[in-house]
Amino acid sequence: GESVGLHLPTLSVQEGDNSIINCAYSNSASDYFIWYKQESGKGPQFIIDIRSNMDKRQGQRVTVLLNKTVKHLSLQIAATQPGDSAVYFCAENRRDGNKLVFGAGTILRVKS
Amino acid sequence: GAGVSQTPSNKVTEKGKYVELRCDPISGHTALYWYRQSLGQGPEFLIYFQGTGAADDSGLPNDRFFAVRPEGSVSTLKIQRTERGDSAVYLCASSPGGTDTQYFGPGTRLTVL
Repeated sequence: GESVGLHLPTLSVQEGDNSIINCAYSNSASDYFIWYKQESGKGPQFIIDIRSNMDKRQGQRVTVLLNKTVKHLSLQIAATQPGDSAVYFCAENRRDGNKLVFGAGTILRVKS
Repeated sequence: GAGVSQTPSNKVTEKGKYVELRCDPISGHTALYWYRQSLGQGPEFLIYFQGTGAADDSGLPNDRFFAVRPEGSVSTLKIQRTERGDSAVYLCASSPGGTDTQYFGPGTRLTVL
């Protein structure tokens, strides 16, 4: 089947440490990947995206890495802060489609 | 500018009733999407509009679900004869074009008693 999944359902990190959230995808036709952050009671908030012609993209405190060989995506958050605590979803959008396929999510807990 | 807005934020209804959920996309965005999110799950695609037309409605679970976007801006998701299994958060997203980044609204939490 076609799916986007996450390796770690819950990640706890100390404030100030770096966080890495991983995601595996199975559809080789996917060419666009997005990370969303969702806080309790809110809609998903766009963090960063990457297209399949890239293997790395950096934003403010965040970096997304794409390894097409093993169909793996990761989100790195530098100097994690309490405000980063949320559920993080990776999603894929296929070359011929318009719908996002989401993974189940990873809970990030930041300890002060 | 203003983001995607959805009303109501919460809706409680009884089994068998009809409900309408509204989405106001970001101004100028031609593409609009509806997703449904159950507790502990990622959002699942329902339907996608490009302008006024439904370009992909493959995610609608059955014919009790219907959505419209008559003027290419505001969209309404309509659910007939609601069932308890319809309880979820219904999310709307919009994007400038069909394959660009999708920006989500806060969602409508639907509870069917």
